[in-house]
Amino acid sequence: GQNIDQPTEMTATEGAIVQINCTYQTSGFNGLFWYQQHAGEAPTFLSYNVLDGLEEKGRFSSFLSRSKGYSYLLLKELQMKDSASYLCAVRDLSGAGSYQLTFGKGTKLSVIP
Amino acid sequence: GAVVSQHPSWVICKSGTSVKIECRSLDFQATTMFWYRQFPKQSLMLMATSNEGSKATYEQGVEKDKFLINHASLTLSTLTVTSAHPEDSSFYICSARDRSGTDTQYFGPGTRLTVL
Repeated sequence: GQNIDQPTEMTATEGAIVQINCTYQTSGFNGLFWYQQHAGEAPTFLSYNVLDGLEEKGRFSSFLSRSKGYSYLLLKELQMKDSASYLCAVRDLSGAGSYQLTFGKGTKLSVIP
Repeated sequence: GAVVSQHPSWVICKSGTSVKIECRSLDFQATTMFWYRQFPKQSLMLMATSNEGSKATYEQGVEKDKFLINHASLTLSTLTVTSAHPEDSSFYICSARDRSGTDTQYFGPGTRLTVL
């Protein structure tokens, strides 16, 4: 099975930087995804990491360490519209559920003025 | 980027009726689509994996006779909630697998089902 852990809630100030951590345990790791989900809406894809290191995409960056089972999503220059839940999801190719994504419970980020 | 549509976006129905939800990949072909359910303030729960041209694979605890899935083409999967009851009220979200590039799942906008 898989175990994905991320903080339940975080609060940060507009214009600041926030880092959302995700740890996971899986046997057939084949990629880690970050999604953003605004209240009442479906998730939207943010980033994908399969190799160790940092992937940068505008204000958002995602980091992966496979040996540590660890990833983080970094949001810079926070804006009020960044208030949302951020979901960490792991793809595991082992077992019967090949290619399925397993989602963490999400981190609800509140951006305050 | 990859676009997935879902219809209807919301539906209200009486207990005992059936509701069909459509999921379409608009600019790519998806041999695999996924159906999720999300209750308020809870995480996404995978219900089933829909494979084009074959039977869907259901997760443990999901009744296949109640949640009928059909994936008849490379761009369309449907979920039918049969004999819906109030406890089936939830946010149903589909996703489609785009094998090009990073081989990513893209989500539809979701369907909010309310059963009276």
